Amino acid sequence: AAGVIQSPRHLIKEKRETATLKCYPIPRHDTVYWYQQGPGQDPQFLISFYEKMQSDKGSIPDRFSAQQFSDYHSELNMSSLELGDSALYFCASSLGYLSGNTIYFGEGSWLTVV
Amino acid sequence: AQKVTQAQTEISVVEKEDVTLDCVYETRDTTYYLFWYKQPPSGELVFLIRRNSFDEQNEISGRYSWNFQKSTSSFNFTITASQVVDSAVYFCALSEAGSGGSNYKLTFGKGTLLTVNP
Repeated sequence: AAGVIQSPRHLIKEKRETATLKCYPIPRHDTVYWYQQGPGQDPQFLISFYEKMQSDKGSIPDRFSAQQFSDYHSELNMSSLELGDSALYFCASSLGYLSGNTIYFGEGSWLTVV
Repeated sequence: AQKVTQAQTEISVVEKEDVTLDCVYETRDTTYYLFWYKQPPSGELVFLIRRNSFDEQNEISGRYSWNFQKSTSSFNFTITASQVVDSAVYFCALSEAGSGGSNYKLTFGKGTLLTVNP
């Protein structure tokens, strides 16, 4: 079965640069979530979209922005990168924006800021 | 506010041993959902199970079983006859229904690193 696709899988950027992560949800899934997982940490919720509208916002820095497009794929844009932004970024998707719907995660994008 | 506690930071067992991973949660909602995810060394998060607050039936799937007890706010996960491939970080997570249904995001515990040695 098709899963959540994230690209790129690995990314190395320098401080103050910009990075863009892409996410393609499971077909027919209309809700996308972004999570950030620092080294040795649990995943932290950043932001979510339902039907192309932002539905919830977590601890996402102002330097980060995201959107969901008409084909339901999503992009996370990160500007003025800092060393502390180095993390594993997960995109996840679910069918419908209802509590309890199973949220399926992609394989993650490893961002290293040097 | 919702909170998930996984008190066991690391567990090490020998292959074929049974192991239980503990998860305790806090929530003010009467409707909520509990999840377990597995994160192997390769990094991906693999969904294992979802349980809603109204269903306290225990569940068994192969070597995996889950014990949900609302009275103690616990949702423990047991692996029977562990195998080396079970080595991973296991996360317990909580999702609340929230007012107006707005709190759908997952709140994760800190995770338990399980190492199964041959």
